[in-house]
Amino acid sequence: DSGVTQTPKHLITATGQRVTLRCSPRSGDLSVYWYQQSLDQGLQFLIQYYNGEERAKGNILERFSAQQFPDLHSELNLSSLELGDSALYFCASSVGVEANEKLFFGSGTQLSVL
Amino acid sequence: QQPVQSPQAVILREGEDAVINCSSSKALYSVHWYRQKHGEAPVFLMILLKGGEQKGHEKISASFNEKKQQSSLYLTASQLSYSGTYFCGRRGGSNYKLTFGKGTLLTVNP
Repeated sequence: DSGVTQTPKHLITATGQRVTLRCSPRSGDLSVYWYQQSLDQGLQFLIQYYNGEERAKGNILERFSAQQFPDLHSELNLSSLELGDSALYFCASSVGVEANEKLFFGSGTQLSVL
Repeated sequence: QQPVQSPQAVILREGEDAVINCSSSKALYSVHWYRQKHGEAPVFLMILLKGGEQKGHEKISASFNEKKQQSSLYLTASQLSYSGTYFCGRRGGSNYKLTFGKGTLLTVNP
């Protein structure tokens, strides 16, 4: 158990809908990362927060947004869902944002858009 | 920019060795290696911070050639438990975001 909690584990929804994925980092970790994993693209970096502030952005679609709250949990909002958004979404956390910080991954949320 | 890993897949028999390579066209401040078993989350293996640094983890070790912007992961005397997808990650840029390659699927057979 990495100590990172993601909910829900599975989510099935329809095209055009909006969903929210939740992540609670390990105790003491200030940085949260979101990754999207599909079969052919590996782990795609979406966005990173540090202590409530956006730190880095990847190829995150405009339909997606995220935030980190004062209690350090994070939410990833996906709207106007398309079939291609079906993927496994991982949250990870680390203590800080330095080059030597290792990430601890949650078990992921499997999103299926039908 | 995503690091490039090779090979994409490798099949071994128990006891054989393997090398997984990772290269980047952009500066590497650190290289991270993670392993993901089927249906599970990626798990940290090691970080290499300096050029030429080598680290070991059981029978898994890695090197980092800063000049060539390359890292290699060495798996010796492979065990069945080594099966999984190995990802290298690149930390770079002013914000140190961690970008992963597409992964190398390693299968170890009895």
